[in-house]
Amino acid sequence: GAVVSQHPSRVICKSGTSVKIECRSLDFQATTMFWYRQFPKQSLMLMATSNEGSKATYEQGVEKDKFLINHASLTLSTLTVTSAHPEDSSFYICSARGQAETQYFGPGTRLLVL
Amino acid sequence: KQEVTQIPAALSVPEGENLVLNCSFTDSAIYNLQWFRQDPGKGLTSLLLIQSSQREQTSGRLNASLDKSSGRSTLYIAASQPGDSATYLCAFGETSGSRLTFGEGTQLTVNP
Repeated sequence: GAVVSQHPSRVICKSGTSVKIECRSLDFQATTMFWYRQFPKQSLMLMATSNEGSKATYEQGVEKDKFLINHASLTLSTLTVTSAHPEDSSFYICSARGQAETQYFGPGTRLLVL
Repeated sequence: KQEVTQIPAALSVPEGENLVLNCSFTDSAIYNLQWFRQDPGKGLTSLLLIQSSQREQTSGRLNASLDKSSGRSTLYIAASQPGDSATYLCAFGETSGSRLTFGEGTQLTVNP
C-alpha cells in the first residue's frame, strides 16, 4: 500500500516555542491531507483538512492561527504548532488521500511541551 | 452529526478464541466504513474497507460486516493470536474521500 511518513516522530519543546511537523506521501500524490490529534486513551479527532494549493479547512474549536497548516505541494503538508503550551501535548497523526478514496495514515508525531 | 460508538472499550481473551468487536453509528447516510488497527504509540494500519453498497469484506482471519439499516458494523477475528493485541478503531466516511469520523476504539489483549 501507499506510504505516508511523518517527521519528527517525537519532539520535546519548551512552552512558548513553535514546532513544525511534516507529513509526506512517499509514493503517490496527495490531493488532500488530513491532520488529526489523539489524546491518551482517546480516539482521533480531526483538526483540519488541507487541499494542495488552497487554504486549510479547520474543524470547529481548532484555532487556525495556532495550528498553521501549509500544503504547498502534492507530497508535503506541514502543521506548525505556534507558541506551544503543555495542553498542546498530544499525538498528531496525518493522513493522505490520492485519486482513490482510501486514506493512508502516517506513523504519528508525539509532541511533549514542557 | 455522526456519532460512533465502539463496544466493548476493552477486551481480554485467551489465544485461539474467536471474537467480535462492535461498532455502531447514528446516521445511516455513510459512504464507507474502515476498520483500523493501532499499536501503542503508533499510527494506524488500515485493515478493511467496506463501501456502503457492500455488506462485508474479508482479509485472512478478519471479516468485517456492515448493516446500514441497523447502524452497525462488526469486526470478526478468527483464531486470535497474541500478535492481534492492539486497539481497533472503526471509522466512517460521509462522502467519497471525505473526513473520517472515528470511534473511541476497543483495546484488545490476546493472552498466550
